[in-house]
Amino acid sequence: QLQLQESGPGVVKPSETLSLTCTVSGGSISSSRYYWGWIRQPPGKGLEWIGNVFYSGSTYYNPSLKSRVTISGDTSKNQFSLKLTSVTAADTALYYCARVVYYGSGSYSFDYWGRGTLVTVSS
Amino acid sequence: QSALTQPRSVSGSPGQSVTISCTGTSSDVGGYNYVSWYQQHPGKAPKVMIFDVFKRPSGVPDRFSGSKSDNTASLTIFGLQAEDEADYYCCSYAGSYTLVFGGGTKLTVL
Repeated sequence: QLQLQESGPGVVKPSETLSLTCTVSGGSISSSRYYWGWIRQPPGKGLEWIGNVFYSGSTYYNPSLKSRVTISGDTSKNQFSLKLTSVTAADTALYYCARVVYYGSGSYSFDYWGRGTLVTVSS
Repeated sequence: QSALTQPRSVSGSPGQSVTISCTGTSSDVGGYNYVSWYQQHPGKAPKVMIFDVFKRPSGVPDRFSGSKSDNTASLTIFGLQAEDEADYYCCSYAGSYTLVFGGGTKLTVL
């Protein structure tokens, strides 16, 4: 059974960089059938797509976050990571990693999710 | 890229049907047949219920049905059950390999 687990600091200071890692078990991030993505959810609010990474290294980002986001994959560790620079309180959220099934063209769905990790931006 | 518009809340009694709308633009919902729906219970990760407007992943009851007309997608739940009470989010392809979620709808089963 595929499992995803987010890890990283629970508190980040304003203006610093948020760094999270998603460790995948029960499957390989090197599969050509899937992308791997990050989604966040501010407390009490809705979901926001952050971006996806393909095993080849191709990345796709939310235009509103693109200038601050980097997503990368490490096939040797079966992990993928998120870096978000210059964080503010507005970046406080539950961050989820997920497997993205890609059916072709613009067809995507997030079929496996981690449990999420809460990141608070505070001094 | 703005969030898709969903009603804040909907409700229905057990056995009834409810429909949740998701309105976007011709750049997302209206431009592609790639809308998915996610169910999220409190404290849990979302679960995909519908993809490609109307397709159901294996294991999702056929009480869940998706459709789309112009810039609005809809999720209809037939024969409401207590366990359907949750938050629901739509998600659409928005071109250039990007995705956009809706603001979410809280479904209350009366």
